[in-house]
Parts: sequence; structure tokens; C-alpha cells
Amino acid sequence: QQPVQSPQAVILREGEDAVINCSSSKALYSVHWYRQKHGEAPVFLMILLKGGEQKGHEKISASFNEKKQQSSLYLTASQLSYSGTYFCGTASNSGYALNFGKGTSLLVTP
Amino acid sequence: GAVVSQHPSRVICKSGTSVKIECRSLDFQATTMFWYRQFPKQSLMLMATSNEGSKATYEQGVEKDKFLINHASLTLSTLTVTSAHPEDSSFYICSASPSASGRRNEQFFGPGTRLTVL
Repeated sequence: QQPVQSPQAVILREGEDAVINCSSSKALYSVHWYRQKHGEAPVFLMILLKGGEQKGHEKISASFNEKKQQSSLYLTASQLSYSGTYFCGTASNSGYALNFGKGTSLLVTP
Repeated sequence: GAVVSQHPSRVICKSGTSVKIECRSLDFQATTMFWYRQFPKQSLMLMATSNEGSKATYEQGVEKDKFLINHASLTLSTLTVTSAHPEDSSFYICSASPSASGRRNEQFFGPGTRLTVL
């Protein structure tokens, strides 16, 4: 089942923060976050495994609440290069294919 | 490491012809590869799961006789779109999951193949 992402779209000014949420109605084993720019393939950002861990990658971090079947991606002090569509992909078990949300379009303006 | 390539990157063909797309894991072995399709402004939708040495598993609504998948080695999976029609025009993306234990949760995506059927 397709996870639900929110918001659908967000416009930020450079330096502002944003949170993108991903929720599933099914129990999750892992959540994967990707960013895709127009006409390009998705680029891997991070993976979170069940256990409620939080990960960080420069100014982008994410959390995974296994009990709530939710994950959030945190973008702090956004940069112009952060613009793109963010997808969360969820797997119900190790090695399974991902079900992707509909994406969140992020635009960072000067 | 963990680079996946696809060939070709873009293909334009006439309706009724067949098109083969290759997906290669360049620096790791992948027992499992996945094929996704993405229509404009939409999310990635899983088409099939490809396992080395066995038949692919297709998602509901995906015709296995139309989208032929062959995973002949641990580094190569191919998708052949047979008798392509304009509605098959899409962005086809593969991903590969490393065989190495401890890394099987990860998926690395190829750059995608844009298919246009005239």
C-alpha cells in the first residue's frame, strides 16, 4: 500500500526549515528517502530501519517511529540545491520492493 | 561504490517494435533487482521484482508477456517492452539490492531510461 506524504508541496526561502512526513497504514521494516530532480532518477538520501532511530546527513535528518508507522524528513537551513521532489519509500520486510508515496515538491527560492 | 547503470538512457521507437533496457550493478552483486515505471508528475510504481536465476514476480496489472524480464547474472537484469505502444511511453527505472549480508535493505537506483513510443 502506498504511504501518504505531506505536505504535497512547499516553497521555502533559502535558509528556512521544512519537515516532510510519511505515514503508512501497514507495519514497516524500513523507510527510505529519496530526492528527485526533474528528468533525473531518484537520489538516495537515507534509510531508516525499525527501531525508532534518527539519522542525519549534513543538514538533512530523518526520524522513524515504528509504532506510529511514520517517518519525517527534516531539512534545516535549506539551500537552493535542496529543490526537487522528495519521495519516501517503505518496505514491510527486509529486501522487499519499495512502495513510494506520491512525493512532496520542494522549491527553495533565493 | 553501489553504482547502477542503465542503457539506453533514452530511446524513441515506432509503435509495434520491441525495446530492451539493461540494468547493471557495476561494483556489487545484486541477487534482486526491481523495475519501476514513473509517468510524468507521478510517483514510482513497482512493475516487477527480478531475482537472479528465477522467474520475475510481476505486480498486479503488469502484463508479464509484454514486459519480459531476464535476470541472467548477479549484475545484469533486462526489461524488454514487446510490441510497444504510445501508452508505454514512460520513465523506466531499475534498482538493485546488494547481495552482501547487512546490505540487503538498501536499494540503489539506476539513472533511468526514458522511452518514447511514436
